[in-house]
Amino acid sequence: DSGVTQTPKHLITATGQRVTLRCSPRSGDLSVYWYQQSLDQGLQFLIQYYNGEERAKGNILERFSAQQFPDLHSELNLSSLELGDSALYFCASSARGDGKTEAFFGQGTRLTVV
Amino acid sequence: GENVEQHPSTLSVQEGDSAVIKCTYSDSASNYFPWYKQELGKRPQLIIDIRSNVGEKKDQRIAVTLNKTAKHFSLHITETQPEDSAVYFCAASTDSGYSTLTFGKGTMLLVSP
Repeated sequence: DSGVTQTPKHLITATGQRVTLRCSPRSGDLSVYWYQQSLDQGLQFLIQYYNGEERAKGNILERFSAQQFPDLHSELNLSSLELGDSALYFCASSARGDGKTEAFFGQGTRLTVV
Repeated sequence: GENVEQHPSTLSVQEGDSAVIKCTYSDSASNYFPWYKQELGKRPQLIIDIRSNVGEKKDQRIAVTLNKTAKHFSLHITETQPEDSAVYFCAASTDSGYSTLTFGKGTMLLVSP
């Protein structure tokens, strides 16, 4: 157990809908990262938050947004869903926000868009 | 931003053989290079990492080498075992501005008994 909790584990929804994925980081970790994993694209970095502030942005679509709350949990919002958004979404946390320390991954949320 | 290329995409070896996975990165300011292992249906987990002030690091049967001049680093697994079968991801982190981890696309390692 990495200490990072993601909910839900599985999500099935229809095209055009909106979903929210939730992540609770390890106790004491200030930084949260979101990654999208599809079969042929590996781990695609979406966005990073550090202590409530957006720190870095990757290839995140405009239909996607995220935030980190004062209690440090984070939510990833995906809207106007398309079939191609089906993927495994991972949240990871680390103590520092500089990418130089181990990132602990949650178990992921598998999103299926039908 | 940083770009990490990883090869091969799949690697099949016999138990007891060695396996080598190679990665190249684009940003010369990158200075932290971790490797993550992801078993089927599970989350990625760090197995070893190396920083740019060293050229090689070993931990039992795994080792990582770094060539900063050529901007590439490699994972070496010796005496492979079936439980080494997994997807391995390399990553790089740069000191340019705010830094985050950029991952390669992964290598599926299959170790046959």
